[in-house]
Amino acid sequence: GQQVMQIPQYQHVQEGEDFTTYCNSSTTLSNIQWYKQRPGGHPVFLIQLVKSGEVKKQKRLTFQFGEAKKNSSLHITATQTTDVGTYFCAGPYAGNNRKLIWGLGTSLAVNP
Amino acid sequence: GAVVSQHPSWVICKSGTSVKIECRSLDFQATTMFWYRQFPKQSLMLMATSNEGSKATYEQGVEKDKFLINHASLTLSTLTVTSAHPEDSSFYICSVAEQFFGPGTRLTVL
Repeated sequence: GQQVMQIPQYQHVQEGEDFTTYCNSSTTLSNIQWYKQRPGGHPVFLIQLVKSGEVKKQKRLTFQFGEAKKNSSLHITATQTTDVGTYFCAGPYAGNNRKLIWGLGTSLAVNP
Repeated sequence: GAVVSQHPSWVICKSGTSVKIECRSLDFQATTMFWYRQFPKQSLMLMATSNEGSKATYEQGVEKDKFLINHASLTLSTLTVTSAHPEDSSFYICSVAEQFFGPGTRLTVL
């Protein structure tokens, strides 16, 4: 069945270091979405990428969508303690683009 | 984006009782809402799609008679966990317009 895989599962960094999480889909996606969930909180929508090869930036966050529209990455430059949380990628189910299939998430811990 | 509320934010109940969770879309008329469940340190698992004025669509493996969904208006969907058991303890989250999530309801069944 359709799967979305995400690595790494956990990442510990020192404040100021960079961080990257990778997302791979078993199928071509019409779009990919990224969410952040703080500990004890709910997922918060960060961004949606639609175009092949698309790159978008939000301050220290850089999002990429692969040329084949099957993989994506989120890169955080110079992490801060406020970046702590779990980052999820999600893509639409094949055949029903209103339903999302989620990666397992990457939990980021930042040591001050 | 849409503003979504959920009530209650947390609930503790005894095994065998039923619990109702409300999801409200405060500024968006939602013909469709989505219900998710999330176990600790795990990803979100879609349980069902709630459709205003019609039956919900359940994902494979989710018991529709145990997780009753009612979407009576464009701003309110409810999820009732019937005859709750400890294994139903989880974080239940609804979403509107696919991308906007409620704050979640943490259910603990004793």
